[in-house]
Amino acid sequence: EIVLTQSPGTLSLSPGERATLSCRTTQSVSSSYIAWYQQKPGQPPRLLIYATSSRATGIPDRFSGSGSGTDFTLNISRLEPEDFAVYYCQQYGPSPMYTFGQGTKLEIK
Amino acid sequence: QVQLQESGPGLVKPSGTLSLTCAVSGGSVSNTNWWSWVRQPPGKGLEWIGEIYHSGNTNYNPSLKSRVTISVDKSKNQFSLKLNSVTAADTAVYYCATAVPYYMGVWGKGTTVTVSS
Repeated sequence: EIVLTQSPGTLSLSPGERATLSCRTTQSVSSSYIAWYQQKPGQPPRLLIYATSSRATGIPDRFSGSGSGTDFTLNISRLEPEDFAVYYCQQYGPSPMYTFGQGTKLEIK
Repeated sequence: QVQLQESGPGLVKPSGTLSLTCAVSGGSVSNTNWWSWVRQPPGKGLEWIGEIYHSGNTNYNPSLKSRVTISVDKSKNQFSLKLNSVTAADTAVYYCATAVPYYMGVWGKGTTVTVSS
């Protein structure tokens, strides 16, 4: 089973700053198989990025994804108040089909 | 745009069976999506439970496979989850989602299930 480790666990930043969230996998993963989700309290996850760097419909261009192999990154260029949430990376693999990282909480400093 | 809505009992007794349904609107369960279940224990992360295709083909998380059954009802445009022999560790918010390989594009709002006597 491929394990996803997200860092940091908590990221404290101010609106307007840049956020960099990391997701590392225990085995090399195809870039087609990495996605990122945002989750706010009491809400379901929302797809942000799929295939490592493709933005989902309606996602602002301040969100961007990159990476390859075992290291993947979600960047938020200029934080807006509504961006403070928990972010999960996810990979698609042979078994189980989908696994998630433990999440990074992005909080207001 | 497809919309999903989970429904089912909010309280299940230990050793009992958790049964949930996901109603699909704005689209057909017979389209090219896979249909997934994901859960989230209180204050914790996301765990994929399994998925089904309209043909009835399924994939399950090995950690839950012995207790899980996912089925689809094309006549009612819905799919369902059954998890048997539940314990307190199965207490969670349960989400249904579209599984467009290789990610989940649309999610239901989730339903909270508590396992308690």
